[in-house]
Formats: sequence, C-alpha cells, structure tokens
Amino acid sequence: GNSVTQMEGPVTLSEEAFLTINCTYTATGYPSLFWYVQYPGEGLQLLLKATKADDKGSNKGFEATYRKETTSFHLEKGSVQVSDSAVYFCALVRPSSNTGKLIFGQGTTLQVKP
Amino acid sequence: EAGVAQSPRYKIIEKRQSVAFWCNPISGHATLYWYQQILGQGPKLLIQFQNNGVVDDSQLPKDRFSAERLKGVDSTLKIQPAKLEDSAVYLCASSHRSGGASYNEQFFGPGTRLTVL
Repeated sequence: GNSVTQMEGPVTLSEEAFLTINCTYTATGYPSLFWYVQYPGEGLQLLLKATKADDKGSNKGFEATYRKETTSFHLEKGSVQVSDSAVYFCALVRPSSNTGKLIFGQGTTLQVKP
Repeated sequence: EAGVAQSPRYKIIEKRQSVAFWCNPISGHATLYWYQQILGQGPKLLIQFQNNGVVDDSQLPKDRFSAERLKGVDSTLKIQPAKLEDSAVYLCASSHRSGGASYNEQFFGPGTRLTVL
C-alpha cells in the first residue's frame, strides 16, 4: 500500500544549525510529495511540495528534492531559527488520485534552542 | 480571507457519551475533509465531502462516527458512543476541489482536541 515513514523525533538543534528531517515513501507509480508544518496551537500549513521526480520544493529557507531512486523527500534547512520549532509532517497523494487524499507520516518534532 | 474555523477547541467527555464537532470551511471551497490525529501519529482521513456528497469514507468507523454537510458549506462530525481510543485531535480541512491533474492545497483548521475518560 501507500505509506510515508519519517525519522523519529524529537530533533533538538541549536539556532543556526543545519537541519535534515528524513522522509521515505512507498507508493505505486509517482506520487506528489509534501511537507506540512504544525506550529504550537495552530493547524497544519503547507510548507512545500514537489509533483514529479527531481523537482525541488522550497519555501522559507526549507528545501526538499523528490528522489525517485531512493523514494525519498528529505527536508533540509541551512540555518534554523527558534521560530522553526514545530512538528513537521511528510505526506503524499497517490498518482492519479481523484480525491486528493493526503497520506501522512507520523510527524517529527523539531526543537530549536537559542 | 478567513481560515477554516472549528469548534470547540477542546472537549472532555466520559466513555459512552456522545460528542459533536463543527467545521466551517473557507468560503467557496467545495471540498471538506475530516482527519483524526492520534498523539504521536500523522493525521488520518476519516471522511471527505465534495459539496454535500461523500467522496471517501472508507476509514470512518461507521458504527459510531457520522458526519454531514447538508448545505455543502459547514459540516458536523459526531461520535456516539465515544470510546477511550477516540481520544485525538480532529482536524478539518478544505480545498477548492479534489483530485484532478493538479493538487489542490488543503487548508487546515486549528483542530478540536478530544479527551475521552
């Protein structure tokens, strides 16, 4: 079936450190891939997306590249800030989906310390 | 533009009681989703509406959960009777439409945190 696996958290970093959150997926064909972020007390927000192999999604200094060879979509940021502290979710939409149903990973909590 | 509204934000009930959650999507959004997010897990789709019709309810426990979107705008999700394992955050999301050649971004509400004692 279709699924998403993320690295376990929490991830604790100092401000200005480099961030990587790993995400791998299992799907038939080529799904669309997403990263959502959930700040404390708020709903999920779309952070970035990629819809085909080798696409790079980017937003607010975050980047992720769709790697079909390794079925991965790792999230990276060169220099994290305290305000980046949140829960990050990797997700996919099946190819040819007529519903747009999102399938989420379990989430990774990021804590950034000053 | 107003976002997705949900109420209540928090609810505590005892098992076997009933509970209802309300969602008002972004104006003009035809598609509405209800997700269940258990602590430590990612959100799981319970039911999806396109206007006032159900598109996907394959993961909705229909013996105790029900949802409606009678006028194709706001929606109510009900649990009756509640079990301990229903403790979770219930998220509502909306989008312009579902599926198709391009992804339609889903906008999420803040969620309702349900605790069943």
